[in-house]
Amino acid sequence: AQSVAQPEDQVNVAEGNPLTVKCTYSVSGNPYLFWYVQYPNRGLQFLLKYITGDNLVKGSYGFEAEFNKSQTSFHLKKPSALVSDSALYFCAVRDGDNFNKFYFGSGTKLNVKP
Amino acid sequence: GAVVSQHPSRVICKSGTSVKIECRSLDFQATTMFWYRQFPKQSLMLMATSNEGSKATYEQGVEKDKFLINHASLTLSTLTVTSAHPEDSSFYICSARTGMGHVGAFFGQGTRLTVV
Repeated sequence: AQSVAQPEDQVNVAEGNPLTVKCTYSVSGNPYLFWYVQYPNRGLQFLLKYITGDNLVKGSYGFEAEFNKSQTSFHLKKPSALVSDSALYFCAVRDGDNFNKFYFGSGTKLNVKP
Repeated sequence: GAVVSQHPSRVICKSGTSVKIECRSLDFQATTMFWYRQFPKQSLMLMATSNEGSKATYEQGVEKDKFLINHASLTLSTLTVTSAHPEDSSFYICSARTGMGHVGAFFGQGTRLTVV
């Protein structure tokens, strides 16, 4: 079965500092991994994905994520956080048997303070 | 990117009434759409897969008669919460895939349902 874990409910960083939001996964077969961001009372917005290729994936708004197969991790990173990055972040994996089905982590609330 | 529009964004209804939520793909055709439910401080839980022209596929534990899904066209799926109760209060989000290159999904902006 596919699953995703986000061990941190909340991450606090100061503006300008680097940020990391953690995600680990468990899949059968090749992982198709995603990060989405959710602003209050809004749907999810796609940030980036890993399908194959380079382990470092670059996405929207300056975010990137590093795929680590040995650690089964897909941590989201940004070199310099902005206050506007404050939101809820979800890691997701696509089902290997049903490509239409996504499994989401519990979400991590990112707080960037000025 | 592709746009998925959900309406209404907020709705308050009385217990026992029914509420319909619409999900539209604005610039692409979606043969399949998905409905998620999100409880406070929790992740999204897939409720059902909406298939154009056929019956929806519900996840285990989701009441079919409670959450009616209709996918009448390639750009519109509706979720009707029937005989709503306060415990149905939640954030409902739809999504769709374009099936054209992008392997992720596009999400609507969500609907905050409050049953009083």
